[in-house]
Order: sequence, then structure tokens, then C-alpha cells
Amino acid sequence: GAVVSQHPSRVICKSGTSVKIECRSLDFQATTMFWYRQFPKQSLMLMATSNEGSKATYEQGVEKDKFLINHASLTLSTLTVTSAHPEDSSFYICSARETGTYEQYFGPGTRLTVT
Amino acid sequence: AQSVTQLDSQVPVFEEAPVELRCNYSSSVSVYLFWYVQYPNQGLQLLLKYLSGSTLVKGINGFEAEFNKSQTSFHLRKPSVHISDTAEYFCAVIDTGFQKLVFGTGTRLLVSP
Repeated sequence: GAVVSQHPSRVICKSGTSVKIECRSLDFQATTMFWYRQFPKQSLMLMATSNEGSKATYEQGVEKDKFLINHASLTLSTLTVTSAHPEDSSFYICSARETGTYEQYFGPGTRLTVT
Repeated sequence: AQSVTQLDSQVPVFEEAPVELRCNYSSSVSVYLFWYVQYPNQGLQLLLKYLSGSTLVKGINGFEAEFNKSQTSFHLRKPSVHISDTAEYFCAVIDTGFQKLVFGTGTRLLVSP
């Protein structure tokens, strides 16, 4: 079956530093990838949609200069949280849509803690 | 815009009892419907999906769901739950026009012995 990996699974960083999270589709090509944020005991909030080779589309209220998304290939998208602050601490989940389908496959998530 | 309502934030049930998790969506235009399960500190796993065809959809782990277009519902059912079914369940819909997956707020299924 379709597998999406995320790396790292957990990261702790100091306030003011940047952290990069990778999302890979392991056995399929994904023209479109999505980044979500999830707060404890809440649903997933879509942050942005990225299409391979083009700029990401950010949802309203999401700072594009703070959450940099790069979708450089059909199997890799990265989310960089720049100048992280404690309020950026959250669970970040990516998903990938197999080219030509509507189905999304989700990664295992990355727990970011900013101290 | 599409919206998804999961009225029950938490559903407690005893092991081996049947369960139904409710899901309603906002529009009757052409949509695709999904149920996902999330275990603690993990991503989402697809349980089942409705794209077209039979309105009764069978998924993994013994779950099934019925698409009801007139009631704009897609309730999830399992005839006999296990302790291991304890998790968060999310209903989601994608509008073929916008192609964005919209999630409900989730229902926590708590199975006790």
C-alpha cells in the first residue's frame, strides 16, 4: 500500500531557531502534498497545499514567511518552521495525494516542541 | 464551502458491543467520503472510503459505513468492538470541485472491558 514517511518524528528546538520537517511518498508519486497542524484533542487544520514545482498555497491565517514549504520533487515536500516560538509547538502531519486520484495518504506526524 | 459534523465528541462503549459513529456533511453535490482512524501520537490511517457505487462500504478492522445522500450522512459502524479500537475517528469529505479534504472535529471511541 501507499506509504508516507515523515522525518523527524520528534524534534525539540530552542526558541528562535528553525527546524525542517521532511515528508516523503515512498512508493508512489505525489503531485500534491498537504501540511496539517493538530493541537491536542483537536482536528487537523490544513496549513497549506503544495504542488510539485510550484509555490505552495497557504490557508487563511497561516504565515507563509514563517512556514516555508518546498515541494521539489514528486516524492518529497519539506516544511521549515522559521524562527520558531513556543506557540509553534504542535503535531505536524503531512499527506500526499497520489497523482490522478483523490485519495490522500498520511504520514505518521512530527511532534515539534519549542523551548 | 463543505463542512463535516461529528456530533459526538466521545463515545464510550463496552467491549464486544456494537457502535455507530455519526457523520453528516453539508452539501449534496458530488463528494467523496472518508473515515480515518488516529491512534495516539500517530498519523491518520484510512478505514474506508466512498467514491461511487454501492452505498454500503466495508473497510478494514471490521468497520463499515453507509452513504445516505438524502440525509447527507456517512455513519461508521462496527458490530462488535475490541479494546484495540480505542482511538480518535475522523470523518472527512472532499468536494470534487475544490479538491480539499475537509475534516470533522473527530469522535473519540473509548472501549472498556
